[in-house]
Amino acid sequence: EAQVTQNPRYLITVTGKKLTVTCSQNMNHEYMSWYRQDPGLGLRQIYYSMNVEVTDKGDVPEGYKVSRKEKRNFPLILESPSPNQTSLYFCASSSGNNEQFFGPGTRLTVL
Amino acid sequence: SQQGEEDPQALSIQEGENATMNCSYKTSINNLQWYRQNSGRGLVHLILIRSNEREKHSGRLRVTLDTSKKSSSLLITASRAADTASYFCATDEWYGNNRLAFGKGNQVVVIP
Repeated sequence: EAQVTQNPRYLITVTGKKLTVTCSQNMNHEYMSWYRQDPGLGLRQIYYSMNVEVTDKGDVPEGYKVSRKEKRNFPLILESPSPNQTSLYFCASSSGNNEQFFGPGTRLTVL
Repeated sequence: SQQGEEDPQALSIQEGENATMNCSYKTSINNLQWYRQNSGRGLVHLILIRSNEREKHSGRLRVTLDTSKKSSSLLITASRAADTASYFCATDEWYGNNRLAFGKGNQVVVIP
C-alpha cells in the first residue's frame, strides 16, 4: 500500500531534550516536506527536500533540522525543543505532479 | 510565501445540501489544490486545477478558478455526513519546486 508513515504518533517531552520524528514513504517520491499545524494558523511548511541531499528552509525553519540521506526517509530533528514547538506535525511526499501525500501526523507536546 | 485564504471559515449544513467554499490568493500560481482533513488526521488530496483551467469536476466536487480575481471555489454537491471535515486550499507558486502554501482551512459540518 502506498503510504507515508511517521513515528512516533504521539510524544510528550521536556524542554531541551533532543528528539527525532521519522518519516518514510514507499512511493519513490523525490519531494518530501514537513509541516506544522497550529490552531488558527493552518499548515506552515518547516523544511522541504527536492531530492537526496537537497534540503531547503520553508516558512518556519527555526529550531528544526532535517536530513535526506535516502530517498524514502526524511527525519525531522528538534535539537533543543521548546514549548512553542508543541504542535501537530505532518510529513508529506510527492512526485512531479505536485499532489502531496500526507502522513498521519505526530502530536508533539513539549513541557 | 503566499497563502490561500479560505472563506467562510466554518460552515454548517444539512445532509443533501450543497457546500461552497472560497479561496483567494495573492500572487501568480502554477496550480491550486484542495485537500480534506478529518479531525486530527493527515490531509487527503481532493483535486488539482491548473492555472490555465477554469473548472474541474471530480465526482461530487466542482472546483473553479478565476486567475483574474485570484480566487477559487470548491463546491460539494449533495453533501453527506462523511463530508464533515476541514478543507484547505493550497497554491503552488513555481513550477518544479513542489512548494505549497496552505490556507488556514474551512471547517464544514454536515448534519445528518
